Amino acid sequence: DAKTTQPPSMDCAEGRAANLPCNHSTISGNEYVYWYRQIHSQGPQYIIHGLKNNETNEMASLIITEDRKSSTLILPHATLRDTAVYYCIVRVLQAGQLTFGSGTQLTVLP
Amino acid sequence: NAGVTQTPKFQVLKTGQSMTLQCAQDMNHNSMYWYRQDPGMGLRLIYYSASEGTTDKGEVPNGYNVSRLNKREFSLRLESAAPSQTSVYFCASSQETQYFGPGTRLLVL
Repeated sequence: DAKTTQPPSMDCAEGRAANLPCNHSTISGNEYVYWYRQIHSQGPQYIIHGLKNNETNEMASLIITEDRKSSTLILPHATLRDTAVYYCIVRVLQAGQLTFGSGTQLTVLP
Repeated sequence: NAGVTQTPKFQVLKTGQSMTLQCAQDMNHNSMYWYRQDPGMGLRLIYYSASEGTTDKGEVPNGYNVSRLNKREFSLRLESAAPSQTSVYFCASSQETQYFGPGTRLLVL
């Protein structure tokens, strides 16, 4: 799996959009970008994934650059409950384990 | 649809005791996984099962055994617990996307 780089921490005001960046410059053509989050000691929660097109679901939007070397997870209206560690993971679809890096600690401030 | 369930939620063991962590999924997924997460660290894969009847070692398998009982259930056994196995254990299942259980918090004294 390709390596990813994320900022260690970010703050966001409640109600504003949270934009979490991820660099994956060595991504291969068949690798997807996955986002998970982990809210304090709970099991990681799947958020969204994509290959090259932008994706949106009820939780978030995923914007992948045209060269696929970076992506941004967008939480459109962050709430206090979105405070968590967010992990960007690059992997082939249906591959085995997920390799979790250190992620980004997002703190949503009131 | 409960997703991935794990039992027990918490367990305290003495060094040398044995126990089995249970995991079940109701999503008809082929693959199942056991991870451990130590304080302040990322998840590390212990064992996984790509399909019913198969199991393979992950990154940190020493001290553990697994059983894929059927398509739904994947158990993790500690035969002789050690303090180094104090951790939070997560089970996951997947067809393409992995979904995780709530975790079992294990303290070995």
